[in-house]
Amino acid sequence: AQSVTQLGSHVSVSEGALVLLRCNYSSSVPPYLFWYVQYPNQGLQLLLKYTSAATLVKGINGFEAEFKKSETSFHLTKPSAHMSDAAEYFCAVSVPYSGAGSYQLTFGKGTKLSVIP
Amino acid sequence: NAGVTQTPKFQVLKTGQSMTLQCAQDMNHEYMSWYRQDPGMGLRLIHYSVGAGITDQGEVPNGYNVSRSTTEDFPLRLLSAAPSQTSVYFCASSFNRGSTDTQYFGPGTRLTVL
Repeated sequence: AQSVTQLGSHVSVSEGALVLLRCNYSSSVPPYLFWYVQYPNQGLQLLLKYTSAATLVKGINGFEAEFKKSETSFHLTKPSAHMSDAAEYFCAVSVPYSGAGSYQLTFGKGTKLSVIP
Repeated sequence: NAGVTQTPKFQVLKTGQSMTLQCAQDMNHEYMSWYRQDPGMGLRLIHYSVGAGITDQGEVPNGYNVSRSTTEDFPLRLLSAAPSQTSVYFCASSFNRGSTDTQYFGPGTRLTVL
């Protein structure tokens, strides 16, 4: 079964420092991977997704993620953290569901990012 | 476009009460889903629909019913609320049900069952 694991339920960084949020996947087939962000009291918003077109994926708000098959990883990075990046981040994998060519997202447990001024 | 809208934003129920969480989208998306979010557990799929008149169960369907009479609306019914259903509920939609389709989420409904 395909799944994702996010390492660290809570990460704190200083403003201006590198942001690194870790996600490892488990899949016997090439996975389709997503990062979503949830700002306080809001719904989830897509940051970026890996669809096998390129291993380095650029998303919104300066975030990017690199798909590394050898490490089964899809870590999210941003060179310089901003106060507005404080949110919860979810890694997800698209998995076949209930036949008939249907896919659903399986989410990791989330990583809450705090940015210290 | 309003995107995905959910009502109400907050709700408090007593054990045994029933209610319907509303979800609507104006993007003409075929695929809609309901998730619940609990602390430290990420999002878990409750029910989903691949089009009007077609619904199916997700990972945690017990205690919930859904229907899809129109493309736009996908209500979630709690038949007899229990404290274990205290959670934040998110509705999502996507254009299709493919492997790389982006899901768009509503703002959520925060439900407390006493």
